[in-house]
Amino acid sequence: SAVISQKPSRDICQRGTSLTIQCQVDSQVTMMFWYRQQPGQSLTLIATANQGSEATYESGFVIDKFPISRPNLTFSTLTVSNMSPEDSSIYLCSVGGGSTDTQYFGPGTRLTVL
Amino acid sequence: KNEVEQSPQNLTAQEGEFITINCSYSVGISALHWLQQHPGGGIVSLFMLSSGKKKHGRLIATINIQEKHSSLHITASHPRDSAVYICAVRSEGGGADGLTFGKGTHLIIQP
Repeated sequence: SAVISQKPSRDICQRGTSLTIQCQVDSQVTMMFWYRQQPGQSLTLIATANQGSEATYESGFVIDKFPISRPNLTFSTLTVSNMSPEDSSIYLCSVGGGSTDTQYFGPGTRLTVL
Repeated sequence: KNEVEQSPQNLTAQEGEFITINCSYSVGISALHWLQQHPGGGIVSLFMLSSGKKKHGRLIATINIQEKHSSLHITASHPRDSAVYICAVRSEGGGADGLTFGKGTHLIIQP
């Protein structure tokens, strides 16, 4: 199993600012995923972060808006840049991949942009 | 891209009832996950299926690969089962890809 922690757990930010969300896993993992859950919606994949390579972004998400770092096999950050109220969401990191892996989720970061 | 549909969207039942939540998807998959999300956002993995049936306590999950359909059953439901249940799939050949999620089923079990 994997235990995932995220910081911060929640934040209220002003329009135009940036917030960096940290994700820490208690074991080494190859793939880490960042998801967004907008109010009342299900989860949407933002990007996949593999250590030692550039993150792979899903359609509709770009590196300039959501830069990701993956400095080692237990840690990743997601930055939400130049925020607008539309970025108000829960952001979750997740690990686990391949056809035989259980998926584990962090507790989420609840972001409100004013 | 896989399309994941869940039904019902909302379900209210009395304690003790047998609950069924359905999930269908459009493209072949390597795995299907059933997840539980409680108020406050925490997500817990209940099952991962690639074929057949799995049981854990009062929860049973089945999948029919040919029909691209899965069901989650809860026997002897209890108010603590109240949560959002989410079906998510990993498409075939998508070992390095994230999951595609259904919109979830909001379940309320009344005492």
